[in-house]
Amino acid sequence: AQSVTQLGSHVSVSEGALVLLRCNYSSSVPPYLFWYVQYPNQGLQLLLKYTSAATLVKGINGFEAEFKKSETSFHLTKPSAHMSDAAEYFCAVKPRGLFGNEKLTFGTGTRLTIIP
Amino acid sequence: NAGVTQTPKFRVLKTGQSMTLLCAQDMNHEYMYWYRQDPGMGLRLIHYSVGEGTTAKGEVPDGYNVSRLKKQNFLLGLESAAPSQTSVYFCASSNASRLAGTYYEQYFGPGTRLTVT
Repeated sequence: AQSVTQLGSHVSVSEGALVLLRCNYSSSVPPYLFWYVQYPNQGLQLLLKYTSAATLVKGINGFEAEFKKSETSFHLTKPSAHMSDAAEYFCAVKPRGLFGNEKLTFGTGTRLTIIP
Repeated sequence: NAGVTQTPKFRVLKTGQSMTLLCAQDMNHEYMYWYRQDPGMGLRLIHYSVGEGTTAKGEVPDGYNVSRLKKQNFLLGLESAAPSQTSVYFCASSNASRLAGTYYEQYFGPGTRLTVT
């Protein structure tokens, strides 16, 4: 079964600093990969997705992620953190080649705190 | 559009009681899902539906039942609540993904916080 591992359940960065949230997947075939964000007391919202040949994916709110097959990683980055980025972030994976969104598997989440 | 709405937002149950969580979407989506979110475990799929009148089991279906009598509604039932079902429940919906390799974004509701004592 496919899975994702998010390293670090809590990450704190200063406002204006680089944000780096780590996600590694386990699969012999590169899957589709996603990052979702959950703001306090809200549901999840799609930040970005990797489903094509472009390995650098840009998402909303200035976030981007790079798919690295050699490292089986899909880390999320943002050059300059903003207070509004404080939220919980989930990496998710779906097997390539299968239809059905029910095959989405979520990581355990990383809570991002921004220090003023 | 309201998107995905969930009723109720909060609920406290005693062990053995039953309840139904209602999810409604106004985006004409074919697929609907119920997840539970627990600390340190991310989201886990309970049940899902690929169309009106159809339901299927997800990763953690035990203790729950679902029904999709209307396309826009997806109900999650707990017949006899247990403390292990204390969680935050999220409903989501998406367009149909009937072609291999396709993915359509899942839209999530705001969640229902359930406590079973």
